[in-house]
Amino acid sequence: QKEVEQDPGPLSVPEGAIVSLNCTYSNSAFQYFMWYRQYSRKGPELLMYTYSSGNKEDGRFTAQVDKSSKYISLFIRDSQPSDSATYLCAEGVSGNNRKLIWGLGTSLAVNP
Amino acid sequence: NAGVTQTPKFQVLKTGQSMTLQCAQDMNHEYMSWYRQDPGMGLRLIHYSVGAGITDQGEVPNGYNVSRSTTEDFPLRLLSAAPSQTSVYFCASSYSGRYPLHFGNGTRLTVT
Repeated sequence: QKEVEQDPGPLSVPEGAIVSLNCTYSNSAFQYFMWYRQYSRKGPELLMYTYSSGNKEDGRFTAQVDKSSKYISLFIRDSQPSDSATYLCAEGVSGNNRKLIWGLGTSLAVNP
Repeated sequence: NAGVTQTPKFQVLKTGQSMTLQCAQDMNHEYMSWYRQDPGMGLRLIHYSVGAGITDQGEVPNGYNVSRSTTEDFPLRLLSAAPSQTSVYFCASSYSGRYPLHFGNGTRLTVT
């Protein structure tokens, strides 16, 4: 079993839909959770990061962490065609970048 | 403020050739790292550096060398290219090893 599991998709939704992207992890030591967005032929760019359980909101994006279930989610409200990208989750221990574990990414297409 | 700059964007090598992938950042970040991204494998850490003069191996270091003579630059050297090194290479940096990573836009390398 991989330490981080992420459904690869592709996920296709109509413009304006609420999108839910999910990752599960197996290492209880993970304390540091991030979501990155990667457009085609570009580098990953940070969307959200959090150290704690619960929700963190930034504009149309909400990151949710449930440590008891070892489950993290990214919700996108009022999705736009510009949200079409691959979304990567990453988990780490004590914020140490050397020990980051990456999901394989979920491909999202938002159709106008 | 350019962030993380990688050159070249594309490169084709023949087996056995050597080359250097360049990475520069202008954010005064102490931590820099190299990843490769392959389909079905995700992002894998090749080498990293926590400051000028200090480098260490990541998950997949074989066939690659690095050095860090300045805070700004972190080149990755392929000593004798092999087809297995065909990949997209990303350089990433952070303020310290504990903060979210900032990525460049990658170098797409093909080894024939």
